[in-house]
Amino acid sequence: GQQLNQSPQSMFIQEGEDVSMNCTSSSIFNTWLWYKQEPGEGPVLLIALYKAGELTSNGRLTAQFGITRKDSFLNISASIPSDVGIYFCAGTYFGNEKLTFGTGTRLTIIP
Amino acid sequence: GAVVSQHPSWVICKSGTSVKIECRSLDFQATTMFWYRQFPKQSLMLMATSNEGSKATYEQGVEKDKFLINHASLTLSTLTVTSAHPEDSSFYICSARGLLDGTNTEAFFGQGTRLTVV
Repeated sequence: GQQLNQSPQSMFIQEGEDVSMNCTSSSIFNTWLWYKQEPGEGPVLLIALYKAGELTSNGRLTAQFGITRKDSFLNISASIPSDVGIYFCAGTYFGNEKLTFGTGTRLTIIP
Repeated sequence: GAVVSQHPSWVICKSGTSVKIECRSLDFQATTMFWYRQFPKQSLMLMATSNEGSKATYEQGVEKDKFLINHASLTLSTLTVTSAHPEDSSFYICSARGLLDGTNTEAFFGQGTRLTVV
C-alpha cells in the first residue's frame, strides 16, 4: 500500500528557532495535508495543499506541495512553546478518499 | 466550522464487555466518516471507512465482527468494540468529511477515545 515517510522522526530545538520537516511518497498524491496532534487529542488540520508547486501559509507555518507530487514540506518560523506536538503529513490520491498518514515528526522545544 | 465531536474521551471496561464510541459532526453533513486506531508513539492506522446509509468498508486485517461501525445519519457514526479484550486497549479516533456551506471539506478529526480494557 501507500506509504509516506516523514523526516526527521523527532526534533529538539530552542524556542525562536525555525523548523523544517518533510514528507516523501513512493507514489503520486493529489492532495497533501499537514496535521498537528497534541497528547491525548485528535489531529488538527493546519494546512491543505491541492496543486503541484503550491506554497501556502498559515501564520508562522508554511507548506509546499512538491513539483513531482511525491513530496511536501512544512516549515515553522520562530518556534514557540505551544508548537510542541507531533506533526503528521497526510495525502490522498486520485479516486480515493482515504488519508494515508506519514510516520510523524515529534517536535520538542527547549526553553 | 467543521467541528467533529467524539464521545467518550476515555472509557475503562471489563474484558468481555462491549463499548460504543460516538462520532458526531456538529456543523456539517458528514458523508464519509473514518475510524482510526493509534498505538503509543505511532501514526494513525485506518480501520474502516463508512458512508452514510451504507455498510462500512474495513481495511485488511480489521475484524468487522469485532469492530462494528454504524453510520446511520449524516451527523453520527458509531464504533462498537464487541467482547473487548486487553489487546483492544488503544486510542481510537474518528474523522469526518462532507459538505460545509456547499463546499467539500477535508477530513476533520474528533478528540479521540482512550479505551482501556481490564
